[in-house]
Amino acid sequence: DQQVKQNSPSLSVQEGRISILNCDYTNSMFDYFLWYKKYPAEGPTFLISISSIKDKNEDGRFTVFLNKSAKHLSLHIVPSQPGDSAVYFCAATGAQGAQKLVFGQGTRLTINP
Amino acid sequence: EPEVTQTPSHQVTQMGQEVILRCVPISNHLYFYWYRQILGQKVEFLVSFYNNEISEKSEIFDDQFSVERPDGSNFTLKIRSTKLEDSAMYFCASTLEFNTGELFFGEGSRLTVL
Repeated sequence: DQQVKQNSPSLSVQEGRISILNCDYTNSMFDYFLWYKKYPAEGPTFLISISSIKDKNEDGRFTVFLNKSAKHLSLHIVPSQPGDSAVYFCAATGAQGAQKLVFGQGTRLTINP
Repeated sequence: EPEVTQTPSHQVTQMGQEVILRCVPISNHLYFYWYRQILGQKVEFLVSFYNNEISEKSEIFDDQFSVERPDGSNFTLKIRSTKLEDSAMYFCASTLEFNTGELFFGEGSRLTVL
């Protein structure tokens, strides 16, 4: 099941710079997209979401962009901080009224001081 | 801040044994879920539960799996006869309403089947 894909398993960014995490999806029926953050030995934590009727949603240092025609979304973190080091999962939901999240493989973000 | 709690944090079992993983969702939440993550793989949906019944389940959730909310607070996942491939981290999640997909996850229960 490759409906949601994160092609970069890891990303390393300097503290203070912008982190950009990418995600692609194939199911055009998805209508909500989310980013979750996961620290080791913890469960995923909701970070930010975007509805398919929008192309941008911003919350503090975090901005999610959605390009529906390209079936692509991205998460921008600026400025990046050491506490942002975690695994970031892209997820999607809403296809045909489904009540489940479909996750990508995750991208491990490391912020270097 | 309310949180989803899971027990045990780690369980080791022999193949063929029954396992019960327990979860206490956030108290006013109405929708409950189990997800799992096999080491190195994606987080995968197993089952959703609402109004005391399964509302959706994945292909993974076969007859060996069952869920129950026996007393209005606990939410359990039972695996009747564990297989090696059931080894994974199992996450419980809950939410008040699903429309945005924002779930609150527990810390997970690691199941190791030998």
